[in-house]
Amino acid sequence: SAVISQKPSRDICQRGTSLTIQCQVDSQVTMMFWYRQQPGQSLTLIATANQGSEATYESGFVIDKFPISRPNLTFSTLTVSNMSPEDSSIYLCSLNPGQGGGYTFGSGTRLTVV
Amino acid sequence: AQSVTQLDSQVPVFEEAPVELRCNYSSSVSVYLFWYVQYPNQGLQLLLKYLSGSTLVKGINGFEAEFNKSQTSFHLRKPSVHISDTAEYFCAVSDPDNYGQNFVFGPGTRLSVLP
Repeated sequence: SAVISQKPSRDICQRGTSLTIQCQVDSQVTMMFWYRQQPGQSLTLIATANQGSEATYESGFVIDKFPISRPNLTFSTLTVSNMSPEDSSIYLCSLNPGQGGGYTFGSGTRLTVV
Repeated sequence: AQSVTQLDSQVPVFEEAPVELRCNYSSSVSVYLFWYVQYPNQGLQLLLKYLSGSTLVKGINGFEAEFNKSQTSFHLRKPSVHISDTAEYFCAVSDPDNYGQNFVFGPGTRLSVLP
C-alpha cells in the first residue's frame, strides 16, 4: 500500500490568514482526494485533485477558499484561505481506492482558527 | 449517489462483551466496503475492507465484518471488546466501476467500552 506523509499535523492560526497543507505519497498516483472532518462529525469530500488539471470541487466548496495544487503524481497541497473559526477541522488527504491506493489516509491536519 | 447509514451514533458496551456496529449503504450495484477506526486525536486507520470474494472479512484487532448484498449491509463485529477499542468507527463505500470514485463515509459510531 502507498504511504502518505501529511504535514503539518496540527496548527493554530489567526483568523484571516491562510494555511497550506501538504501530502506526499511514496508512489505515483493519478488522483488524490481532500476531506474535511468538522468537530464531532464524519468526513466530507472537499475536492478531487488530478495531476495536470484543475481540481474538481464538491458542492459547498470553492477554489477561492480551498485552492489545491497537484504539480506531480506524488504531491498535492490544500490551502485554507482567509480562515475563520468555522474552518477549525481536521483535514485529510487520501488516494483513489480503485487504483491500488491502498485505502490509506494521511494522518490528518488538525486546524484551530482563533 | 451513494450514501451510508450507521444507525447507532453511540454504542456503550462492557469490556469483554460482544459488539456489533451496523452499516447500511444505498446502492445495489457492486461496491467496495470499508471500516475505519479513529482513536481520539488521531487519523483514520483501516480496520478491514471488502472488495470481492468471501462475504466474511477479517480485519485487524479481532474485528470482522460480513457483507450482505441482499440487505446492502456491512456490519462490524467483535466477539469480545477491550477498553482500548474505545474509538469512533466509520463505515465507507466506494464504487469500483467508477474510475476515480472517492470514499463516501457514514456519520460514524462512537464505541465506548466500559470497565
